[in-house]
Amino acid sequence: QKEVEQNSGPLSVPEGAIASLNCTYSDRGSQSFFWYRQYSGKSPELIMFIYSNGDKEDGRFTAQLNKASQYVSLLIRDSQPSDSATYLCAVGWVNFGNEKLTFGTGTRLTIIP
Amino acid sequence: DVKVTQSSRYLVKRTGEKVFLECVQDMDHENMFWYRQDPGLGLRLIYFSYDVKMKEKGDIPEGYSVSREKKERFSLILESASTNQTSMYLCASSLYRGDAYNEQFFGPGTRLTVL
Repeated sequence: QKEVEQNSGPLSVPEGAIASLNCTYSDRGSQSFFWYRQYSGKSPELIMFIYSNGDKEDGRFTAQLNKASQYVSLLIRDSQPSDSATYLCAVGWVNFGNEKLTFGTGTRLTIIP
Repeated sequence: DVKVTQSSRYLVKRTGEKVFLECVQDMDHENMFWYRQDPGLGLRLIYFSYDVKMKEKGDIPEGYSVSREKKERFSLILESASTNQTSMYLCASSLYRGDAYNEQFFGPGTRLTVL
């Protein structure tokens, strides 16, 4: 059973600060990692994906992957109130040709003005 | 832009009713998925389909069935709705790549209440 663990939060961060969201996964062979943002009452939307060890930056977002530690994180710089949402970490895998994602339970982030 | 639509945003049904949830995607994706999302439990996969008329059970298929007669449409069926099926149901689709680098695109969700 593939597992993805996230701290459920809530995580409160002052506006303008850096928000750091963390995720660990159980399957050392996992190859792809996704961060989805989900506003209350809405569906998840993809904000970042990362496949290789190291950092990947996209605007105010940086995804970090450390496969040796089985750890992936999302940093949000200059946090804005609009970043308040639940962030879902997902791990991609293939089983007999079927492509799936396993999701963590999400971390609820609140940006305090 | 990928667009995934679901037939209803909110649905209220009675125990024992047969319930159909419809999902349509317009990007010619091979893979389609049905999840339910409950507080504290995250997204759990009910069923998925990788081709027309093909289906595979996910992690929690009990009490559900699916149908995929056309590539763009994937239906979730609750044969006899029960109160423990009250949940947010999310449909997703993805392009078949043959590898693990498959981002999924979600529909807006259907919040189902079973009374």
